[in-house]
Amino acid sequence: SSGLTQDPAVSVALGQTVTITCQGDGLRSMFVSWFQQKPGQAPMLLIYAKNKRPSGIPDRFSGSSSGDTASLTITGARAEDEADYYCNSRDSTGNHPVIFGAGTKVTVL
Amino acid sequence: QVQLLESGPGLVKPSGTLSLTCAVSGDSISTDKWWSWVRQSPGKGLEWIGEIYHTGTTNYNPSLKSRVTISVDKSKTQFSLKLSSVTAADTAVYYCARDYGVYDLNVGYYYYMDVWGKGTTVTVSS
Repeated sequence: SSGLTQDPAVSVALGQTVTITCQGDGLRSMFVSWFQQKPGQAPMLLIYAKNKRPSGIPDRFSGSSSGDTASLTITGARAEDEADYYCNSRDSTGNHPVIFGAGTKVTVL
Repeated sequence: QVQLLESGPGLVKPSGTLSLTCAVSGDSISTDKWWSWVRQSPGKGLEWIGEIYHTGTTNYNPSLKSRVTISVDKSKTQFSLKLSSVTAADTAVYYCARDYGVYDLNVGYYYYMDVWGKGTTVTVSS
């Protein structure tokens, strides 16, 4: 994958569901991770290997993929989910081993 | 509990060399993981700089490759970043991260950045 495309911003009503997408040519789902970053904080791993959650990550966060697009879904958004979300992938065949998407700003209304 | 801690000068002069160290505690560098540097310019997204394996094998972002050197000191359980010929565009928060590897029968090894340092701010200015 030579680049990962994310929507710059999305909004979601409190308690509703939002899906963030990450598109990249040749994206390999097992290599996709998702990170949440709040202002002034380091990124935090939310999802890895397409749909696995690290210990401590709420199950309202889920990952999926279809073709060249990976998705992060927040089900029942909370106010504290307002943050920037980045997808990340490792390309074992190209010249750019690790790449991040540009990020999606999620606003909870 | 694995922790990473970045350290280094917060101010670097233009054309100089930025040098940072990431101290690793709670884990050994000498296992199946990559150790990465990632930066974030003010108001911008995450940019991967490069990574190192415990054997010393490195991979770099092609856009920075000519200026970047990442090294590892296994005896001190730390790894380092050097970025030469810096300009104001290199002003950023620099993070180190552990890129943890898992073997899968179908795809081989896959990795994910599961532990991050808190980040250190580096400003390039005279």
